[in-house]
Amino acid sequence: KAGVTQTPRYLIKTRGQQVTLSCSPISGHRSVSWYQQTPGQGLQFLFEYFSETQRNKGNFPGRFSGRQFSNSRSEMNVSTLELGDSALYLCASSWDRSNYGYTFGSGTRLTVV
Amino acid sequence: AQKVTQAQTEISVVEKEDVTLDCVYETRDTTYYLFWYKQPPSGELVFLIRRNSFDEQNEISGRYSWNFQKSTSSFNFTITASQVVDSAVYFCALSEGNAGNMLTFGGGTRLMVKP
Repeated sequence: KAGVTQTPRYLIKTRGQQVTLSCSPISGHRSVSWYQQTPGQGLQFLFEYFSETQRNKGNFPGRFSGRQFSNSRSEMNVSTLELGDSALYLCASSWDRSNYGYTFGSGTRLTVV
Repeated sequence: AQKVTQAQTEISVVEKEDVTLDCVYETRDTTYYLFWYKQPPSGELVFLIRRNSFDEQNEISGRYSWNFQKSTSSFNFTITASQVVDSAVYFCALSEGNAGNMLTFGGGTRLMVKP
């Protein structure tokens, strides 16, 4: 069975631009969460979506947003990119919200220049 | 607020040595879940184990074993007879019972196993 698919795998953007990252969860999984990984801050929770509703949000500015579609696929958007947004963005999916653990995708590596 | 600390940032061992990765957590919840993930160079986080706060039984899976001690708020991970393929970054994580699927990660421990 297919795992969590994130596209694109790599992305280079210019400061001030905006970017949209996509995540397709494992079939049947309804919870999708996003994490940012940087060398300085480590792995940080961005937000969680379940049944098209944001259920949790991490401590990130409003430039970071996301959504989930009826087929559970999710997108996250970062507007007005800053150099500090350069990171590996990981998406993870789970059946529900019962803390059984996630399956992570391979991530999108975003570089802001 | 919850917190996970992995004091060892980097460990280097020679193949076949045993190695223990430490994890200490903080939470005010009585219901919580602890996880270990492995991150190889490809970047994907690979799930290794989940433990809930009511189950302090140690677990062994092949060369891997986990020691959960609530009294010291620790959830340590031991690899027996390490292999080069074990080289990766290992993350310990915590999820509180009412936090849905939000994970708080430790800083990670980079394990290098040399032949």
